[in-house]
Amino acid sequence: GENVEQHPSTLSVQEGDSAVIKCTYSDSASNYFPWYKQELGKGPQLIIDIRSNVGEKKDQRIAVTLNKTAKHFSLHITETQPEDSAVYFCAASKGDGSSNTGKLIFGQGTTLQVKP
Amino acid sequence: DTEVTQTPKHLVMGMTNKKSLKCEQHMGHRAMYWYKQKAKKPPELMFVYSYEKLSINESVPSRFSPECPNSSLLNLHLHALQPEDSALYLCASSQDRGYYRVGELFFGEGSRLTVL
Repeated sequence: GENVEQHPSTLSVQEGDSAVIKCTYSDSASNYFPWYKQELGKGPQLIIDIRSNVGEKKDQRIAVTLNKTAKHFSLHITETQPEDSAVYFCAASKGDGSSNTGKLIFGQGTTLQVKP
Repeated sequence: DTEVTQTPKHLVMGMTNKKSLKCEQHMGHRAMYWYKQKAKKPPELMFVYSYEKLSINESVPSRFSPECPNSSLLNLHLHALQPEDSALYLCASSQDRGYYRVGELFFGEGSRLTVL
C-alpha cells in the first residue's frame, strides 16, 4: 500500500526566514497531495493542495511543488511568522475507482517553530 | 471556525460505559469520515461513509460502531473501550468531486477521549 515519508520531524526557523518540508510517496498512482496545518488543540486544516497534473501551486506565502518522476512533493513557506508555528502534515491519495472517497495517507508530521 | 461540529469536546469514560461521539456538517458534503489521532502522530482513518453508506472500515474493533443517520450527521458509538483507545477522535467531511477525484477534507476540532 501507499507509504508517505515526511522530513524533517522538527524545524525551527527565525521569523522572516523560509521553511521547507519534504515528503516522498511510494504509490505512483497517487494523484492528490494536500498539506494540512494543525494548531494545538485543533483539527487539521487544509492550507494548500496539488494534483498530479500540476507541478507547482502558490498561495501568497505558501507554495507546493510536485515531482512525479521522483515521487516527492514539498511545502515552502516564505517570510515565516510566529503564527505559522504548528504541526504540518503532508498526505497522498488516489481515487479508488468506486467513489470519491479515496483514502488519504498522511506523513508523520513536522513540528514547525518560528522564533520571533 | 470549523464548519464541522463535534460534540462533546472532551469525554472521560470507564471501560464498561457506553457513550457516543457526534459530528454534524451543513456544507452539503456527501462523504464523512472518522479519524483517530494519538499525540504527536498523524490522523489514522477509521471509517468512511459515502452517501450515507459505509464505504471503508479500516479493520476497526467492534467496540467502535459508526452510524450515519443522514447526510449531515455522523455518530461513533463507543462500548467496552480500553485505555489504549484514549485519543483525539476527528470527524471530517468532503464534497463529491466526481470519479477519481478526492476532495478537500474539512476536519472538526475533535473529541478528546480518555478511557479510565
